[in-house]
Amino acid sequence: GIQVEQSPPDLILQEGANSTLRCNFSDSVNNLQWFHQNPWGQLINLFYIPSGTKQNGRLSATTVATERYSLLYISSSQTTDSGVYFCAALNQAGTALIFGKGTTLSVSS
Amino acid sequence: AAGVIQSPRHLIKEKRETATLKCYPIPRHDTVYWYQQGPGQDPQFLISFYEKMQSDKGSIPDRFSAQQFSDYHSELNMSSLELGDSALYFCASTFGQGGYEQYFGPGTRLTVT
Repeated sequence: GIQVEQSPPDLILQEGANSTLRCNFSDSVNNLQWFHQNPWGQLINLFYIPSGTKQNGRLSATTVATERYSLLYISSSQTTDSGVYFCAALNQAGTALIFGKGTTLSVSS
Repeated sequence: AAGVIQSPRHLIKEKRETATLKCYPIPRHDTVYWYQQGPGQDPQFLISFYEKMQSDKGSIPDRFSAQQFSDYHSELNMSSLELGDSALYFCASTFGQGGYEQYFGPGTRLTVT
């Protein structure tokens, strides 16, 4: 089945810094999503981005489907950005999302 | 906008007891997925339904069963609970099968003592 790998596993930033999170996947995908899991455990949808580039405020994402990777950019980070960021790709059967291990982001003031 | 509703939000059970988790998808969504997230882990797919039929099964123990009802809500039934079943259980919904965006509920935190 499809493999999803995220890097780095951990990231520590000062408030105001920028960061790039990477997601590699082993096969072509019809669905690629980025989530932020907050300290209360809720999974927040950030982007649905099987290909191309999208922006939402300080966050943007790019997926290069032909090269099987996606990037999540966080600019001017804030303490509220802390948490775990997951990338997930739809399996070949189209019946389940396969998650990466996540990137744990800590932003300090 | 309406979101995915899960109930209960928190549940405490003892070993060997049973538990039922409920999921109400976004209106007009006909596909439901269940995921389990253990402490410090990534979410793992359990089972999915499309138009009230099971569409795929992941690493779901035989002690667990699930179904999707005529109004598209879904229930996950868990029997003979074990300490290792303590986890966050997410339900997600979407419209149709294939590559559409999945929307996640707030999760049910199950603690087995």
